[in-house]
Amino acid sequence: KAGVTQTPRYLIKTRGQQVTLSCSPISGHRSVSWYQQTPGQGLQFLFEYFSETQRNKGNFPGRFSGRQFSNSRSEMNVSTLELGDSALYLCASMGGALGADTQYFGPGTRLTVL
Amino acid sequence: AQKITQTQPGMFVQEKEAVTLDCTYDTSDPSYGLFWYKQPSSGEMIFLIYQGSYDQQNATEGRYSLNFQKARKSANLVISASQLGDSAMYFCAIARFEKLTFGTGTRLTIIP
Repeated sequence: KAGVTQTPRYLIKTRGQQVTLSCSPISGHRSVSWYQQTPGQGLQFLFEYFSETQRNKGNFPGRFSGRQFSNSRSEMNVSTLELGDSALYLCASMGGALGADTQYFGPGTRLTVL
Repeated sequence: AQKITQTQPGMFVQEKEAVTLDCTYDTSDPSYGLFWYKQPSSGEMIFLIYQGSYDQQNATEGRYSLNFQKARKSANLVISASQLGDSAMYFCAIARFEKLTFGTGTRLTIIP
């Protein structure tokens, strides 16, 4: 079974631009979560979607948004990029017959804001 | 709020030795799950092992085992017979609903 995939793997943007990251969960998983990882703040929870609805949200400004499609694929959008948004963005999926409570992560998208 | 504390920023271990990575947690939830993930330099978070708060036995997965002491709120990861490929960052995490709260991690380096 294929794992979680994220595209693109690397991205370079300039301040003020916006960016969209994509995540395809493991087949059959309906929950998708997003995390930001930076050297200074570590791993922080952004939000989680289940059946196209946002169920949980972390403490991030409104510039960070997301959505989930009917096939469970999810996108995350960051508008008006700031230098501090440079980070590894990790997506995780959860759900299925086994290990229903375990989140499985994708390879991440490394975003650099110049 | 939930909190994970990992007090070992870095560890160096000889190949084939066993290693214990420390993790203590704080939560007011009566039911919770504890996880360990491995993050190689490539960046991907790899799930290693899970322990439920009501599980009677310590979790094991191959060379990984979890030393779960609920009263002390600790969930230490034990890696037996370490290998060079075990060199990575290791994160302990606690789950509340679908949100994982991570510790700051331990960088493990295996020495040949």
